[in-house]
Amino acid sequence: GAVVSQHPSWVICKSGTSVKIECRSLDFQATTMFWYRQFPKQSLMLMATSNEGSKATYEQGVEKDKFLINHASLTLSTLTVTSAHPEDSSFYICSAREQNTQYFGPGTRLTVL
Amino acid sequence: AQTVTQSQPEMSVQEAETVTLSCTYDTSESDYYLFWYKQPPSRQMILVIRQEAYKQQNATENRFSVNFQKAAKSFSLKISDSQLGDAAMYFCAYRRWDSSYKLIFGSGTRLLVRP
Repeated sequence: GAVVSQHPSWVICKSGTSVKIECRSLDFQATTMFWYRQFPKQSLMLMATSNEGSKATYEQGVEKDKFLINHASLTLSTLTVTSAHPEDSSFYICSAREQNTQYFGPGTRLTVL
Repeated sequence: AQTVTQSQPEMSVQEAETVTLSCTYDTSESDYYLFWYKQPPSRQMILVIRQEAYKQQNATENRFSVNFQKAAKSFSLKISDSQLGDAAMYFCAYRRWDSSYKLIFGSGTRLLVRP
């Protein structure tokens, strides 16, 4: 149980375009999901908390207009990187909360050319 | 604010032997959760073990066990009978006993397993 999927696993896009990443909880309902960013050889940095049916809560320093989060159902949250630039290239990981534990998706590698 | 410290950037263990990864944290709260997550080369974060602070008994999951010392704010992970598949980054994480459910991660320890 407690499986979280992410799609796509890898995406390459041109500078200035937008990219959407999906996070799904496959076998449980998640009222809360989280989006992280991970740079090479570093720990996870929380970007935002996504709550079903309400606005996301962003961490300090994260641009909410650049990283749009939508949590439209109890099993799906999406992260849209708008007007992506090379500095947005990174590994993005989502997690979904089941009771008191977060379960993580496999991550999405974003490369912006 | 809470902080989590993993002072060992890298550890090495011989296959079939035991290794202990260290984690300390700083908090003024009495109730909280602690976790160990494993991130293998695939980069999929996998829950290894969880400990509730109010429980005195140390959590165990097969070959993985923790030594939870609440007064010392220490939460070490012991891996017994190490296997090649245990090679990964290991992250210690703290969660407050509130409705935010946010995790605070340590910087990670890379575990190498020698055949």
